[in-house]
Amino acid sequence: KAGVTQTPRYLIKTRGQQVTLSCSPISGHRSVSWYQQTPGQGLQFLFEYFSETQRNKGNFPGRFSGRQFSNSRSEMNVSTLELGDSALYLCASSDIQGNNEQFFGPGTRLTVL
Amino acid sequence: GEDVEQSLFLSVREGDSSVINCTYTDSSSTYLYWYKQEPGAGLQLLTYIFSNMDMKQDQRLTVLLNKKDKHLSLRIADTQTGDSAIYFCAETPYYGGSQGNLIFGKGTKLSVKP
Repeated sequence: KAGVTQTPRYLIKTRGQQVTLSCSPISGHRSVSWYQQTPGQGLQFLFEYFSETQRNKGNFPGRFSGRQFSNSRSEMNVSTLELGDSALYLCASSDIQGNNEQFFGPGTRLTVL
Repeated sequence: GEDVEQSLFLSVREGDSSVINCTYTDSSSTYLYWYKQEPGAGLQLLTYIFSNMDMKQDQRLTVLLNKKDKHLSLRIADTQTGDSAIYFCAETPYYGGSQGNLIFGKGTKLSVKP
């Protein structure tokens, strides 16, 4: 099975712009979660989608949003970018059965200038 | 609130055993995980343990869980230079009948000296 894929791998934006990141889960997985990784805050949960519905949301401002499509692919959007949004954004997929194993993609490195 | 704590650095010699420790606060956690992250890469799930277990062994990896003290450890036997990476401990709290998101520690950077 192919793993979790994320596009693009690297992105450079300027303050005030918006950005959309994409995640394709492992085939058959219906749950997709997003995490932000920064040197200062570590790994923080953004949100989780299952069957096109947001099931869980972390403590991030409304500038961060996401959605999931019927094929389980997910996108996250960040509007009005700030310097502090520079981070590695990781997507994880899960089949939500049993042990909640989450399989991570390689991440998208976002730099905000 | 929920919190996961880990020491930030560990240095060992090749061939020695490494022990990475973690403490967590949420007693409702059902599963606890160890992830590995190499430079420039995403997270790789190494192993996990269900909260009603004390120990789990998987090849060179041994996970010990002390639920009373909320302490989790990962032992890597015969540590190799390829094991150099950041290791994250994570828990998944149980919310009203369903698994929650992962809560991660800050990660322990393991350096293996030849």
